[in-house]
Amino acid sequence: QVQLQESGPGLVKPSETLSLTCTVSGGSFSSHYWSWIRQPAGKGLEWIGRIYTSGSTNFNPSLKSRVTMSVDTSKNQFSLRLRSVTAADTAMYYCARDLQVWGALFDYWGQGALVTVSS
Amino acid sequence: QSVLTQPPSVSAAPGQKVTISCSGSIGNNYVSWYQHLPGTAPKLLIYDNNERPSGIPDRFSGSRSGTSATLGITGLQTGDEADYYCGTWDSSLSAGVFGGGTKLTVL
Repeated sequence: QVQLQESGPGLVKPSETLSLTCTVSGGSFSSHYWSWIRQPAGKGLEWIGRIYTSGSTNFNPSLKSRVTMSVDTSKNQFSLRLRSVTAADTAMYYCARDLQVWGALFDYWGQGALVTVSS
Repeated sequence: QSVLTQPPSVSAAPGQKVTISCSGSIGNNYVSWYQHLPGTAPKLLIYDNNERPSGIPDRFSGSRSGTSATLGITGLQTGDEADYYCGTWDSSLSAGVFGGGTKLTVL
């Protein structure tokens, strides 16, 4: 059974950088896409981006200028960095495994990490 | 604003059937459906337009016609009350996209 766990600060100051890491256990890490998805309170799911275990990435065009993703195959981890955050970036952040190249097939999800942007 | 359009809400009585539509920038890519209960991680219900993962009851079904997809739920139960999202890959954006979500109420 594949398990994903998000970790990182729950509070980030405006204009600073949000950093989250997802640790994957219980299954194969290599040769998969790994995604970040968020949900602001009271709103729908928003795809942030994904990284393949080779390091190639795709990002949501609306966030692309502020997002960086990285992967550490030795630790079965992938990470998200979102720069210059504002209150609009306050959300539950999920990591998930994406099984499709041309799809959005998220079969395993983390439980989510709540990140609040506030001074 | 989502590139996939879903009705904001649907409702039906226990035991009845409901359908949730998803239309927009689907193109030629597969559609997936997710059930999201408050306080939990979203759960994959349907993939490849109409396939169910292991463990998902056959009360849940998916279909696809052109640029629209539909999730069907039969034999509604109170435990089905949740938000439902469609998702796909938008080839023009090279990005994953979700519908705005549909809140299902079982009256």
